[in-house]
Amino acid sequence: QSALTQPASVSGSPGQSITISCTGTNSDIGTYNLVSWYQQQPGKAPKLMIYEVTKRPSGVSNRFSGSKSGNTASLTISGVQAEDEADYYCCSYAGGSSPYVFGTGTKVTV
Amino acid sequence: EVQLVESGGGLIQPGGSVRLSCAASGFTVSSNYMSWVRQAPGKGLEWVSLIYSGGSTYYADSVKGRFTISRDNSKNTLYLQMNRLRAEDTAVYYCVGGYSYGYQHNYWGQGTLVTVSS
Repeated sequence: QSALTQPASVSGSPGQSITISCTGTNSDIGTYNLVSWYQQQPGKAPKLMIYEVTKRPSGVSNRFSGSKSGNTASLTISGVQAEDEADYYCCSYAGGSSPYVFGTGTKVTV
Repeated sequence: EVQLVESGGGLIQPGGSVRLSCAASGFTVSSNYMSWVRQAPGKGLEWVSLIYSGGSTYYADSVKGRFTISRDNSKNTLYLQMNRLRAEDTAVYYCVGGYSYGYQHNYWGQGTLVTVSS
């Protein structure tokens, strides 16, 4: 199972919207609506931001939203803020003997 | 409040073994699914292993046959037995919990560093 493909970096000015893509295959993102997104601040553990493509856990800002089209999922941060600077990882359920695959990660700079 | 606390990391020689532990509180290991996810220094996240509430276990190809995931329900603790360690296994290992009715990784421990080097 190969890692999902994400851009290495995305940047934006405060208040702008930015979008991070996550490209997989017909075996993972293309088949399952089970994409999740994680934010990792420097030196900290990852934190769940989006699950099942579009759902937000309690406590996560509504500035974060998710979507999917075909084999590509996306995370959009609306009105990006300095506190959103972090690494972001997508993850998809893929079934089979190795059921999860993570993305390559994207560094967001504000 | 959910807490996952890993322990057992350290410096291990190539070919050696180590067992990681993850003590859970506020989250029942046996009723949900538990994973280990690792992150090599300066690199991205890599899913390593998973145990479902029913006991089924799964492994990444990179560790299959060398790592074993298990749990002790009475201690509400997850384990990862790591054998025949290689330099490329050097990473921070995170214990991760997910609700049995979902497919996302809800809770993460702080991680424990395993360094494989002579």
